[in-house]
Amino acid sequence: TQLLEQSPQFLSIQEGENLTVYCNSSSVFSSLQWYRQEPGEGPVLLVTVVTGGEVKKLKRLTFQFGDARKDSSLHITAAQPGDTGLYLCAGEFGGSQGNLIFGKGTKLSVKP
Amino acid sequence: DAGVTQSPTHLIKTRGQQVTLRCSPKSGHDTVSWYQQALGQGPQFIFQYYEEEERQRGNFPDRFSGHQFPNYSSELNVNALLLGDSALYLCASSADTYYGYTFGSGTRLTVV
Repeated sequence: TQLLEQSPQFLSIQEGENLTVYCNSSSVFSSLQWYRQEPGEGPVLLVTVVTGGEVKKLKRLTFQFGDARKDSSLHITAAQPGDTGLYLCAGEFGGSQGNLIFGKGTKLSVKP
Repeated sequence: DAGVTQSPTHLIKTRGQQVTLRCSPKSGHDTVSWYQQALGQGPQFIFQYYEEEERQRGNFPDRFSGHQFPNYSSELNVNALLLGDSALYLCASSADTYYGYTFGSGTRLTVV
């Protein structure tokens, strides 16, 4: 059974600070996706990474996929209150196309 | 362009009853997946439909069943409801999983 572990579980920071959240698995991902979810809403896709070592940037968000494709990180620069939400990583593993395994998420709160 | 539409948004049922949840995928998407998200947890994969067939199934009992129609819309049926079935049920659609999934806002099911 593939499991994703996300850390930290909760993060509360002040506006303007930088932060990094992590997603780890003991299995190799065929692809990994990051989502953000706000209360009462469904997750919204931020990025998909496929290639080991891949780095993708989305404005102030930087996503990195580990060389061995077993881990990923999300770095936010100069966090803003609008970044508040639940950040979920979700992986697809070989032979399980369509079956996204989600972590429990990192709940981020950015205070003005 | 409408994204994924789910109905109803909220539902209260009594233990032992049956429920049907509905999902219309994003225009151009032909694959529909259903997820269950308990409070404080990440979404858990229930099953995926493609070309009106169940393509993959997660670790859920047979009380959970589904259907996909020729217009790609989908239903999730849950029989003999248990208190533990209370959760947010999310529908996600995709055209190519490489590009990730588009989630609906979910149906909040409460079993009393």
